[in-house]
Amino acid sequence: GQNIDQPTEMTATEGAIVQINCTYQTSGFNGLFWYQQHAGEAPTFLSYNVLDGLEEKGRFSSFLSRSKGYSYLLLKELQMKDSASYLCAVGARNTGFQKLVFGTGTRLLVSP
Amino acid sequence: SAVISQKPSRDICQRGTSLTIQCQVDSQVTMMFWYRQQPGQSLTLIATANQGSEATYESGFVIDKFPISRPNLTFSTLTVSNMSPEDSSIYLCSVLLGSYEQYFGPGTRLTVT
Repeated sequence: GQNIDQPTEMTATEGAIVQINCTYQTSGFNGLFWYQQHAGEAPTFLSYNVLDGLEEKGRFSSFLSRSKGYSYLLLKELQMKDSASYLCAVGARNTGFQKLVFGTGTRLLVSP
Repeated sequence: SAVISQKPSRDICQRGTSLTIQCQVDSQVTMMFWYRQQPGQSLTLIATANQGSEATYESGFVIDKFPISRPNLTFSTLTVSNMSPEDSSIYLCSVLLGSYEQYFGPGTRLTVT
């Protein structure tokens, strides 16, 4: 089975840096995903890591350590619009196709 | 990316009735997924729907309760049958583009009274 843990809520101030951690236990690991979800909206894809290391994409970076079952999402130069839930998801290859198992999400509140 | 629409966007239904949710994509995709997101919770996969084959259901979800159709490569429906208040949730479809990236529809907010 799969088990994914991430903090429930985090707060930060505009312009700061915040790191959202995610730990997982899974079988058939096939990548670690981060999604952003604003209240009342659909999740949107942020990043995908399948190999160890850091992937940088603008203000957002994502890190993966497969041996430790650990990932983090790093948000730099925080903006008010970054207030959202951030969902960590593990890709699991099951019977030949990809499925996602989501963590409970981390609600990030960015204050002025 | 893909443009995904869902109908209805929201509905209020009575206990014991059924609701069919439609998901339309603007391009042909092989794999579509149906998720449920209960209030304050994360997403839970209900089933995977591939065109031309039976849907594959996750543990805890059964075809009699959540029948799925996938008549072509751009469309799918999910029916929530014999509804109870516990079925109140947001239902989202998603599509797989490329080898790993999933795009989500806007969701259908269902309230069962």
